Amino acid sequence: AQTVTQSQPEMSVQEAETVTLSCTYDTSESDYYLFWYKQPPSRQMILVIRQEAYKQQNATENRFSVNFQKAAKSFSLKISDSQLGDAAMYFCAYRSPMNRDDKIIFGKGTRLHILP
Amino acid sequence: DSGVTQTPKHLITATGQRVTLRCSPRSGDLSVYWYQQSLDQGLQFLIQYYNGEERAKGNILERFSAQQFPDLHSELNLSSLELGDSALYFCASSVFSGQGSTDTQYFGPGTRLTVL
Repeated sequence: AQTVTQSQPEMSVQEAETVTLSCTYDTSESDYYLFWYKQPPSRQMILVIRQEAYKQQNATENRFSVNFQKAAKSFSLKISDSQLGDAAMYFCAYRSPMNRDDKIIFGKGTRLHILP
Repeated sequence: DSGVTQTPKHLITATGQRVTLRCSPRSGDLSVYWYQQSLDQGLQFLIQYYNGEERAKGNILERFSAQQFPDLHSELNLSSLELGDSALYFCASSVFSGQGSTDTQYFGPGTRLTVL
């Protein structure tokens, strides 16, 4: 079974600094997708970034970038120039297009605090 | 705004009761997914519908059922409610469901269910 592990329940970072959230996953599939979702206090689930496993290049979306290490099954999220609005719960997630269902498997989340 | 709508936003009810949660997918999306977010279980996939038909089941209790209507909106029915059913219920939608699909799931704002 595929699993997603986020080993940091909480993290804090000073405003304008850079922070990296860790995620590891386990799968026997070679083709899959990885995501980071953000859940602010409003509880909305917002897609931050997506990475296709077949792409060697790390995905980037403005201040958000990932470090995808396929062999190590590691998928970390780097947030640069942290802003107060980045405070949220961040979920690492996995989905395999080879599964019959399209379900997303989520990690337990990392709560990120931004210190002014 | 993801384009996925869910009603109601909040629902408070008593044990043993039955409730219906409603979801309207993004325009053009054929697939609807239901997820449950609880404190102890995290985010878990419940069930998926594609173009009116059930496609996959996850950790959905027998007391729970869902359907997708011809206009593609979906309803999640929860019956014989227990205290442990208190959670945030998310609906997500995507364009296409099937092995090999590459589309992203977009989440609605969720319905917070409180069972007293």
